This record gives sequence, C-alpha cells and structure tokens, in this order.
Amino acid sequence: GAVVSQHPSRVICKSGTSVKIECRSLDFQATTMFWYRQFPKKSLMLMATSNEGSKATYEQGVEKDKFLINHASLTLSTLTVTSAHPEDSSFYICSARKQGPDTGELFFGEGSRLTVL
Amino acid sequence: AQKITQTQPGMFVQEKEAVTLDCTYDTSDPSYGLFWYKQPSSGEMIFLIYQGSYDQQNATEGRYSLNFQKARKSANLVISASQLGDSAMYFCAMREHNFNKFYFGSGTKLNVKP
Repeated sequence: GAVVSQHPSRVICKSGTSVKIECRSLDFQATTMFWYRQFPKKSLMLMATSNEGSKATYEQGVEKDKFLINHASLTLSTLTVTSAHPEDSSFYICSARKQGPDTGELFFGEGSRLTVL
Repeated sequence: AQKITQTQPGMFVQEKEAVTLDCTYDTSDPSYGLFWYKQPSSGEMIFLIYQGSYDQQNATEGRYSLNFQKARKSANLVISASQLGDSAMYFCAMREHNFNKFYFGSGTKLNVKP
C-alpha cells in the first residue's frame, strides 16, 4: 500500500523557536496533502489543505503566519510552526491523496508529536 | 504488517438499520488508544468514539458503539439506526502511547440507502 512518512516523529523545542515537520509520500505522487492537529479531547482538526505548486488553503481559525505550509513537490509537504508556544504542543498528522482520478483514498502519516517547553 | 486493517472498502446499509464497520489492529505497545473518525465529502475529520486499551467496557457515544475485543485485536464500529447523513468515509485509527505513533486504516466508504 501507499506509504506516507512524517519526520520527525517527536520533537521538543523551546518556546519562541520554529519547528519544521515534513510529510513525504514515499511511493506515489500526491497533488494534495492535508495537515491535521489532534486536540486533547481526541478530535482531529483539519488545519489546511496543501496543493503542490500553489498556496495552501487554511481552515477558519488557523493562523497562516504561524503555521506555514509548503508543498514544493509532488512528494513533499512541510509544516513549519513559527515562534512556537506551549499551547502549540500537540500531535500533528498529515495525509496525502494520490495523483490521478480521485478515488477518495487518503494515506496518513504516523504523526509528529510536538512539545514546546 | 499493517497496523490498522479495514477490510471493507465500501459498505451499503438501509436507512434505520444497524451497520458494523470492521477494524483490526496490530501493536506490541501495552498502552494504546483506538479511534473512529468520520470524513464527509467536505474533508473534515469528525471524531466519533474512543477506546483506551485499559478500558474495561466498550465505548458508546449516542448511536455509535465500539465493539472492543482485545484478545482478537479488533475494534469494530457499530452504528445503530443509520441515517442518510451517516454516508461518509470512516477511518479507524490507533495511537500507541509509548511508541508515540498514530496509525490510520484505509477507510470504509459507507453509503446509507433511503
């Protein structure tokens, strides 16, 4: 099956620093990737939709300048949490949709746990 | 090996009937959580239900219940009294607490027929 890899799986950083999380589709090309954040009550919030070669589409309430998303190639999307604060600590998950006829299939990364001290 | 397996790519159910969506998982982490999410065509992921690996009782949330069989490593979602609005993709997921990984199944597309 299709594989999506996230890196790093766990990161700890100091408040005020920026952290980049990568999402790679290892064996397929993904025109669209999605970034989610998991909240303590287990809900998974869609943050933004990332399209290769164009600007990401952010969901309402998500700060574009704080969560920078870049989808530079058909196999890589990055999420950069800028000037991280403790309240940004969370599990961030990406998913990717295969290029081609939209079958609705999504492939998920294993998540990246961010802890901001 | 697949961490989360959903063997039903698509399911049909008659409105007002119950339906079971299958999910099996594989982990060696003694502490884990199991989730079900609903994804309508809008793309958002709606949290439905959660079961902790140490929970003694099966989780229930309204019309949703999770049939947790630990020895068999299965976590099937049961939707009672299906409604047309239940038509969506359903994802089973597992979070390993010690290994710090989150895994999703391939999803099951549920169609509720009037």
